[in-house]
Amino acid sequence: GQQLNQSPQSMFIQEGEDVSMNCTSSSIFNTWLWYKQEPGEGPVLLIALYKAGELTSNGRLTAQFGITRKDSFLNISASIPSDVGIYFCAGQGIQGAQKLVFGQGTRLTINP
Amino acid sequence: EAGVAQSPRYKIIEKRQSVAFWCNPISGHATLYWYQQILGQGPKLLIQFQNNGVVDDSQLPKDRFSAERLKGVDSTLKIQPAKLEDSAVYLCASSPLPEHNEKLFFGSGTQLSVL
Repeated sequence: GQQLNQSPQSMFIQEGEDVSMNCTSSSIFNTWLWYKQEPGEGPVLLIALYKAGELTSNGRLTAQFGITRKDSFLNISASIPSDVGIYFCAGQGIQGAQKLVFGQGTRLTINP
Repeated sequence: EAGVAQSPRYKIIEKRQSVAFWCNPISGHATLYWYQQILGQGPKLLIQFQNNGVVDDSQLPKDRFSAERLKGVDSTLKIQPAKLEDSAVYLCASSPLPEHNEKLFFGSGTQLSVL
């Protein structure tokens, strides 16, 4: 089946640093999404990407849909303590028609 | 706007026992999902409902798992009998439009421990 590989699995950074993480797949996806999950809560959608090459921002977060359609990237600028959590990428083969496949997550820890 | 409601938050049972989880989606959301999230992994879809019909249950272990959404609103997920490997967080999610079912709104989940 389709699998998504996220890297790194975990990150330990200082407050104020920029963060980069990525997600790769052996399959092509037509939609890429990034969700964030905090302890004891369900994932929350951060950014949705629908076109190869698309670059979309949400505040300090910027995500890109890779041109090969097999990868996506998430950057967080000037990290703050509330950015702590697990970031999941998710892919969908056909928008609205196929189930989401989630990566295994990147755990972000920030030292104040 | 109220979010997706799930209960209970935590459940501890012994293997071979049965357990049920309940979910009430966001009002007006026609599509409802149950996901299983094992510790250290991303959510995995178990079943998807569109109103009260099943759209996708290909990853639901049907010998022990069942789910229903009789009136097209709230839903229950049951495990009978439970196994040790069923220990996980069970997340319910809903989405407002079938053509945008990538935009999921998740509940806080039910954490199940099978001993």
